[in-house]
Amino acid sequence: DAKTTQPPSMDCAEGRAANLPCNHSTISGNEYVYWYRQIHSQGPQYIIHGLKNNETNEMASLIITEDRKSSTLILPHATLRDTAVYYCIVRFSGYSTLTFGKGTMLLVSP
Amino acid sequence: DTGVSQDPRHKITKRGQNVTFRCDPISEHNRLYWYRQTLGQGPEFLTYFQNEAQLEKSRLLSDRFSAERPKGSFSTLEIQRTEQGDSAMYLCASSLSGPRDTEAFFGQGTRLTVV
Repeated sequence: DAKTTQPPSMDCAEGRAANLPCNHSTISGNEYVYWYRQIHSQGPQYIIHGLKNNETNEMASLIITEDRKSSTLILPHATLRDTAVYYCIVRFSGYSTLTFGKGTMLLVSP
Repeated sequence: DTGVSQDPRHKITKRGQNVTFRCDPISEHNRLYWYRQTLGQGPEFLTYFQNEAQLEKSRLLSDRFSAERPKGSFSTLEIQRTEQGDSAMYLCASSLSGPRDTEAFFGQGTRLTVV
């Protein structure tokens, strides 16, 4: 699986958009970008994934650059409950395991 | 179905003792995974099953570790002769295979402390 690089921490004000970047410059053509998050003392939670096109669901939006070497997870209106470690992962479709890095600790403040 | 459940949530054991953890996946999920997470690190893959077959094991899974999924439903992870370095959160996850293998659902983990 391609390696990802994320900032170790970010801050966001409650109600504002949180934009979490991820670099994956060695991603191959059939590797997907996945985002998970882990709230303190809980297991990781799936957020969203994509291949080439931008994706949106009820939790977040995923913006993937045209060259696919980086992506941004957007939480449009961050709440205090969004405080968590966010992991960006790339993996082949159908390949089962997830390779987690250290992620980005997002702190949402009032 | 309330998701992936793990038991116990916490375990304290003395060095050298054996411990066993249980994971009950989401009922229709045929894939089951074990991960280990130490403080400040992301989860690390240990092993996974498709139905009752153990298809992949990480080199992290030493000879003291064994995992089973005898009937393709729940799974157990046993650690023999525990060491202080085994102290970690042990996470279980489940998913579907094939085209629907898009997300894994994680349990809340078993926190092991070896004293």
